[in-house]
Amino acid sequence: GAGVSQSPSNKVTEKGKDVELRCDPISGHTALYWYRQRLGQGLEFLIYFQGNSAPDKSGLPSDRFSAERTGESVSTLTIQRTQQEDSAVYLCASSDSGGASYEQYFGPGTRLTVT
Amino acid sequence: ELKVEQNPLFLSMQEGKNYTIYCNYSTTSDRLYWYRQDPGKSLESLFVLLSNGAVKQEGRLMASLDTKARLSTLHITAAVHDLSATYFCAVEKGTYKYIFGTGTRLKVLA
Repeated sequence: GAGVSQSPSNKVTEKGKDVELRCDPISGHTALYWYRQRLGQGLEFLIYFQGNSAPDKSGLPSDRFSAERTGESVSTLTIQRTQQEDSAVYLCASSDSGGASYEQYFGPGTRLTVT
Repeated sequence: ELKVEQNPLFLSMQEGKNYTIYCNYSTTSDRLYWYRQDPGKSLESLFVLLSNGAVKQEGRLMASLDTKARLSTLHITAAVHDLSATYFCAVEKGTYKYIFGTGTRLKVLA
């Protein structure tokens, strides 16, 4: 079946511009996560959505970052006034909170380069 | 604050050898996950460990969980080149929130 998809796969932007990253989770998965992975490093939690509950935004690094999710489907991560330190791979994952485990399924990521 | 530490961070080993990667975490959790990441690729789920004493095996990899020691191990048996990748453990904090380790970059030499 279809996995988690993300778009674009690569994004190069100039410092100061806004960018929008998109994630399509696996159909039926109520939980959705965004992570940031800087080159050669581990995953940094950004934000978590669960159904219609208020999202857990505790990982967002600054108010330039925001995310939305439409019901239990598509999510967009927006970075305003991008900075060079925002350059990273942004990974989206979804999970089925009704399952026995909360195993996450990851998308291919969006590689963001801020010049 | 939950911290997850992996060691070693880098591992270079010969084909055919055995080795263990360790994942230590700082607060109580009953769920631990192992992932594999190939260069330039996303994360692939390897193992889900849901209780103390859980052991899972797939091919040359075996993972175990000791919640009392707050330790998980990923054991590699008779390594082959195809196992070269970065391995991450992730610990569940509360409900639905995961803290990832720093990763162990494994290189298996022919």
